[in-house]
Amino acid sequence: AQTVTQSQPEMSVQEAETVTLSCTYDTSESNYYLFWYKQPPSRQMILVIRQEAYKQQNATENRFSVNFQKAAKSFSLKISDSQLGDTAMYFCAFLSYNQGGKLIFGQGTELSVKP
Amino acid sequence: DADVTQTPRNRITKTGKRIMLECSQTKGHDRMYWYRQDPGLGLRLIYYSFDVKDINKGEISDGYSVSRQAQAKFSLSLESAIPNQTALYFCATSDVDITNEQFFGPGTRLTVL
Repeated sequence: AQTVTQSQPEMSVQEAETVTLSCTYDTSESNYYLFWYKQPPSRQMILVIRQEAYKQQNATENRFSVNFQKAAKSFSLKISDSQLGDTAMYFCAFLSYNQGGKLIFGQGTELSVKP
Repeated sequence: DADVTQTPRNRITKTGKRIMLECSQTKGHDRMYWYRQDPGLGLRLIYYSFDVKDINKGEISDGYSVSRQAQAKFSLSLESAIPNQTALYFCATSDVDITNEQFFGPGTRLTVL
């Protein structure tokens, strides 16, 4: 069974600085997707970034980028130029090609951006 | 208008009561999901449905049942609520496409006393 682990329950960063959130996963499959979701205090789940495992190039979306290390089964999220609006819970999630649409989530990392 | 809606947004109920959480979507997606979120555990899959006639148990289905009334509607029921079902519940939808992105509703905060 696949598992996703986020080992940092809480993190904080100063506004305008860079922060990296860690995520590791365990799977025996070679084809899968990885996601980072953001959950602000409004509790809405918002997709931040997506990575297909077959792609070697790391995904980027504006200030958000990932460091995908397939052999190490690591998928970290880097937030550059942190903004107050980035304050949220962040979830890493795994989806297998063979498991249909079933997302497996990590425990979450609560990020606080301080002025 | 929101593409995925959930009702109610908040609910307080008592142990032993039957309760239904409803989800509707206007995205035209065939796939729908129910998750629960607990502090320190992330989101866990309760049930999922790939079309109206296809319903499957997820990781934590005990104590829950679902009904897929139409492509756009997927309801979650707690037949006899218990306090450890106190959680935040999310409905999500997805299309069968290359992105595999799931779109989440706003969540239902359920408290069982």
